[in-house]
Amino acid sequence: DIVMTQTPLSSPVTLGQPASISCKSSQSLVHTDGTTYLSWLLQRPGQPPRLLIYKISNRFSGVPDRFSGSGSGTDFTLQISRVEAEDVGVYYCMQSTQFPHTFGQGTKVEIK
Amino acid sequence: EVQLLESGGDLVQPGGSLRLSCAASGFIFSMYVMDWVRQAPGKGLEWVSGISSGGDYRDYADSVKGRFTISRDNSKNILYLQMNSLRAEDTALYYCLIRPTTPVGGWGQGTLVTVSS
Repeated sequence: DIVMTQTPLSSPVTLGQPASISCKSSQSLVHTDGTTYLSWLLQRPGQPPRLLIYKISNRFSGVPDRFSGSGSGTDFTLQISRVEAEDVGVYYCMQSTQFPHTFGQGTKVEIK
Repeated sequence: EVQLLESGGDLVQPGGSLRLSCAASGFIFSMYVMDWVRQAPGKGLEWVSGISSGGDYRDYADSVKGRFTISRDNSKNILYLQMNSLRAEDTALYYCLIRPTTPVGGWGQGTLVTVSS
């Protein structure tokens, strides 16, 4: 199975300041079709996960442009340009390249 | 607007069975690959199973292989998860979602499965 490792596991941030989360996979996430199926999700407290990013860097409809994804191969990053109060929660990366699909452990983002 | 509504979660004894359903609307259900993901209380996310758009390809996590069966009815826009031989470790909130590989994204609210005597 592909192991997804996120860092940090906890990230206290100041409102209006940037934040960054790293996600590293134990194997390349490049599919045989040439696409990298790496996505990011946010789970706010008491809510189901919400999809933010798919295929490394594509935002889902309705996701603010302060969220951006980057990376390739085995190293990926989610960046929030200016953290807002509604961004608090646990962020997960997920790979859908190889079965079984796997998630990172989650990174808890909270306001300082 | 994409909507996914899970149902069928319940309290069941070890060894019992349940069938979860996920009613889809707001998108062309028959065109999309679908997944089930679960989250045990206070834990992270675990992918459970996935099914191709036409229903002919299915995959499972090792932890549920041989006990769970995923299926879909594209005429009714419903995704299913038949769960047999349930164990305490299957206790979780079960979510259905559109596999996040296309611009059409959706994740349900979840249905709670509790396995306990």
